Amino acid sequence: GEDVEQSLFLSVREGDSSVINCTYTDSSSTYLYWYKQEPGAGLQLLTYIFSNMDMKQDQRLTVLLNKKDKHLSLRIADTQTGDSAIYFCAEPYSGGGADGLTFGKGTHLIIQP
Amino acid sequence: NAGVMQNPRHLVRRRGQEARLRCSPMKGHSHVYWYRQLPEEGLKFMVYLQKENIIDESGMPKERFSAEFPKEGPSILRIQQVVRGDSAAYFCASSPLTGAMNTEAFFGQGTRLTVV
Repeated sequence: GEDVEQSLFLSVREGDSSVINCTYTDSSSTYLYWYKQEPGAGLQLLTYIFSNMDMKQDQRLTVLLNKKDKHLSLRIADTQTGDSAIYFCAEPYSGGGADGLTFGKGTHLIIQP
Repeated sequence: NAGVMQNPRHLVRRRGQEARLRCSPMKGHSHVYWYRQLPEEGLKFMVYLQKENIIDESGMPKERFSAEFPKEGPSILRIQQVVRGDSAAYFCASSPLTGAMNTEAFFGQGTRLTVV
């Protein structure tokens, strides 16, 4: 398909790990990204991974990349209420040579107490 | 540094009116990107501008939409004769140099356009 695909919702208990999955479209993408959008706010770059890596860890965040399946995941360890947000997966925009991004629809992460 | 500033935050327009959305990039950033987020959708690239130049507008509808980034002042996204389908959140991002969009870009809070 032409779109970056993500599940729309994920509900986890506080303290558990959250795993948000994404499938992207362009196997030649050099970087892949995770953005976080809190209510009423703009997008914030959370982390990114270079395409020659399989895994990147940054404190509570772990990004896994499976290039063969074009699958990207974001794991948040010890999920906290402050992690409630929409998480967008993104890859470089493939049209027209721009430096922009193509985003998925976003995964709403819901934290249960 | 106040970050990327978009105004207005909310804009209501009647069908057929014009909408003008403004984006002031971060200080020192000369590259601006506009994205549109339709309800229940991800952000879609619209246009990429540098000062006084449109670099790529391949994501922008051919009619009624235009964008500019003058030498002085904010970038403007202009939508003429708005229709209900234009109702969306419009986000602006800025970056300091080419190729840095993806790791050094900052997004504004967006302008939510509602067409009634």
